[in-house]
This record gives sequence, structure tokens and C-alpha cells, in this order.
Amino acid sequence: QVQLQESGPGLVKPSETLSLTCAVSGYSISSGYYWGWIRQPPGKGLEWIGIIYHSGITYYNPSLKSRVTMSVDTSKNQFSLKLSFVTASDTAVYYCARHGDTAAVDYWGQGTLVTVSS
Amino acid sequence: EIVMTQSPATLSVSPGERASLSCRASQSVSSNLAWYQQKPGQAPRLLIYGASTRPTGIPARFSGSGSGTEFTLTIRSLQSEDFAVYYCHQYNNWPPVYTFGQGTKLEIK
Repeated sequence: QVQLQESGPGLVKPSETLSLTCAVSGYSISSGYYWGWIRQPPGKGLEWIGIIYHSGITYYNPSLKSRVTMSVDTSKNQFSLKLSFVTASDTAVYYCARHGDTAAVDYWGQGTLVTVSS
Repeated sequence: EIVMTQSPATLSVSPGERASLSCRASQSVSSNLAWYQQKPGQAPRLLIYGASTRPTGIPARFSGSGSGTEFTLTIRSLQSEDFAVYYCHQYNNWPPVYTFGQGTKLEIK
């Protein structure tokens, strides 16, 4: 059973960098698939942030590209998200996810709320 | 960017009846479309991928149809646990710029 678990600070100050990690169990990231991040502001819809392959290839949402960095650590079977220069509009539940065979998201983490506030 | 538009924003249906949710793409996404169900406080759950394929474990009362720019999620014989928010998601681009619809809330009538 594939499981994903987000971790990281729940509160980030404006202009600082949001950092989250997703630990994967039940599947080796090195075996394939794209792994990514999706966020959901409180009471709103889903926004795709980007994806990463085990080789380190990344693809980002153009609207966030200048502030987003994703990385992968295959030795720890985890991948990470950094979002710089955050503002209140970056407050959201952040989900890590696996994009399956067809690129639909077949596994999701439980989500972690990150609030941007001073 | 491909814009996904879902309608209606809210749909009120009685238990046991059928619900039809619509998703329209601003340009063709072929059959590269998924549907997710999200309940309060939970992560979304994949219901349909490839526009019409159900993953293992998804009840047969959920069905998807369409291709190109027009898609429909149909839920037959609504159960109490089906009342939730539903999102469509296109994954057609390469390089990927994936987008979601704004969601349809399915509520009990």
C-alpha cells in the first residue's frame, strides 16, 4: 500500500521560504512515476504546483515557477518542496501526491496546512 | 494554460437519484481527464481517469464519459456517502501544466 506523508512547519512568516517534505512508503520513488505537490487554499479549489521524477527532472506551474524548487532524495525515499517569498495568498493545505500511469493522481498525502502570517 | 470549467457550482439531488456533473476544457484534452471526490477534511480520492476508467475499488455507480472538451461524471443511485465536492483535472499537456476545475458541490436535496 503506497502511503505519502507531508511534514514541515505549519506557520511561515511573509517573505520567508516555505519548506515541506513528503515521505513515501510502500513504493520506491526510484522505481518510477512522477511525484508532486498540489495545494488548496481554505475553502477553495485545487492548484497544481509541480512534479518531479526520481532523476530530478522537474516541471512547475508557470504561475509559481519563479518561486518553486522541488528536489528528491531517493536514499530516504522522499521529495521536497520549497516556495520562496511567501505571502498570505500562499496559505493553503499542501498535498503531496503520486501521478500514476496516466498522470492522474492515484495517491495523495493527508495534507498539511501551512499558514503565512507574521 | 487550459482552463477547466465545472458546472453547476452546486447540485442538489435526493438520495437514490442520479447526478450528472459537467466539466468543460478551454481546448481539447483528448481523454486525459480525471475526476476526484473530496470530503471535508480529507484529501481528494481518484474516481475516474482516462475520462471513463474506474480504478480498482471505485463503485460501478460512478461513471465518466466524454472526450475532447466536454466531460461528464454520472453517479447513479446516490448514496449518503456520495455527497461531497467533485473536481475534474486535465493532464493533457506536455511539458505538463496540469489544471483543475473549480469543483462542484453535490449536496443532499
